[in-house]
Amino acid sequence: AQKITQTQPGMFVQEKEAVTLDCTYDTSDPSYGLFWYKQPSSGEMIFLIYQGSYDQQNATEGRYSLNFQKARKSANLVISASQLGDSAMYFCAMREGLSASGSRLTFGEGTQLTVNP
Amino acid sequence: NAGVTQTPKFQVLKTGQSMTLQCAQDMNHEYMSWYRQDPGMGLRLIHYSVGAGITDQGEVPNGYNVSRSTTEDFPLRLLSAAPSQTSVYFCASSYGWSDTQYFGPGTRLTVL
Repeated sequence: AQKITQTQPGMFVQEKEAVTLDCTYDTSDPSYGLFWYKQPSSGEMIFLIYQGSYDQQNATEGRYSLNFQKARKSANLVISASQLGDSAMYFCAMREGLSASGSRLTFGEGTQLTVNP
Repeated sequence: NAGVTQTPKFQVLKTGQSMTLQCAQDMNHEYMSWYRQDPGMGLRLIHYSVGAGITDQGEVPNGYNVSRSTTEDFPLRLLSAAPSQTSVYFCASSYGWSDTQYFGPGTRLTVL
C-alpha cells in the first residue's frame, strides 16, 4: 500500500487566491513526522513546513499552513494568497518511528501547482 | 554556510562505467542521505548515514556504495553504471536523524 498519497497530479489557482494540496498517509506507528517540500522547475528541493504526530496545533510558516487531521490521516498543505512564484511541484513526505532506521523520508508522487495571473 | 553542495551538476556515463557523486555539507550535520528521483515520481532513499563511519541501506541500494569517513562528506559510488540508473540524485542532511532534512541542488545523471 502507498504510504503517502497525493491524489492531485495537477492543480491550478488564480494569483492571490488560496489553494489546498491534498496528502493522505498510511502508518501504524504512533510517532511520525510529515513534511512538505517544493520543487520549482530549477529542480532543487525546498523545505516548506513540518508537522509532528504529537503536535497539538497545526503548523504554520508564513503563507504556508498544514491542515493536519490525524484521525483521517491527512496532512493537506494550504497556501494562502498564491503568487506566481508558487508555481512548482509540491511533495508530501513522511518519516516514521523513533529510531535512526525510521529516518527515511517516504515521498508522495507530487502535485504540480500552476498559479495563473 | 554553503549548505549542501553536490558535484557534478550533470554527468553522462556509458554502461559499465563507474563514478562517484560528491556531496558535502558545512552545517555539522550528523545525518546524511542519498535519494534518487525518477520522472513523475517522488524521491526514493538509496543509502543513509547517521554519523561518520556509520552507513545503512535505504529502499533502493543495489548498484550503489557509500562511505562516510568525515562528518562533512558523503560520496555515492556507482559501481557499474546501468541505464536504469539514469535519474536525478539528491543528497540531503540534517542535524539529527529526526530533524528536517535539507537537500542539495541535485545531480542529473544519464547512462547510455
